[in-house]
Amino acid sequence: QVQLVQSGAEVRKPGASVTISCKVSGFTLSELFINWVRQAPGKGLEWMGGSDPEVDETTYTQKFQGRVTMTADTTTNTAYMALSTLRSDDTAVYYCATLSDGDFAFDSWGQGTLISVSS
Amino acid sequence: QSVLTQPPSASETPGQRVTISCSGGSSNIANNYVSWYQQLPGTAPKILIYRNDQRPSGVPDRFSGSKSGISASLAISGLRSEDEATYYCAVWDDSLSGPLFGGGTMLTVL
Repeated sequence: QVQLVQSGAEVRKPGASVTISCKVSGFTLSELFINWVRQAPGKGLEWMGGSDPEVDETTYTQKFQGRVTMTADTTTNTAYMALSTLRSDDTAVYYCATLSDGDFAFDSWGQGTLISVSS
Repeated sequence: QSVLTQPPSASETPGQRVTISCSGGSSNIANNYVSWYQQLPGTAPKILIYRNDQRPSGVPDRFSGSKSGISASLAISGLRSEDEATYYCAVWDDSLSGPLFGGGTMLTVL
């Protein structure tokens, strides 16, 4: 059973950058398709992108292209999501989640990390 | 605005059955598997249904999923107060080359 544990809440000013982490246990990170999903306050779920280990490729949704970077450290079994040039509307809870191959279902989720952007 | 359309809200009394719909299109629901998630207030989403109608272990059989054409549905029978949550559908979209979420349906158990 995969467990995903995310880093704690972050507060940033507009224009700053932030990196949050997602520690994986129960599986090797390189076996997992780690994706990032965000949820603004009172809003729905929004897919940001993910890393497919089978093709060693990371895909970002167009909305975040150029501002987001998703990486992985296989030595520590930890995935990272960095978001730059933060704006107030980036305030949201950010989740890491595994996407199952073939089913394309998000079968395991981290607990979420709140990123607050405010001047 | 999500291209997967769900009703924003639904309500039903305890013990009854409720159905939540998810409407998509040819690039998503028509040709790909639909999954459903339950999100209780203040918590991360939890998978309820995958591959249109399959339940992960531990999910009660009160929850069932179906798909037909470009639409999918989640049915919850024998409603309980603890089923009050927001429910999301999701599916891979071939045009986006990524997953899409529906806008979510907030279920109230009256």
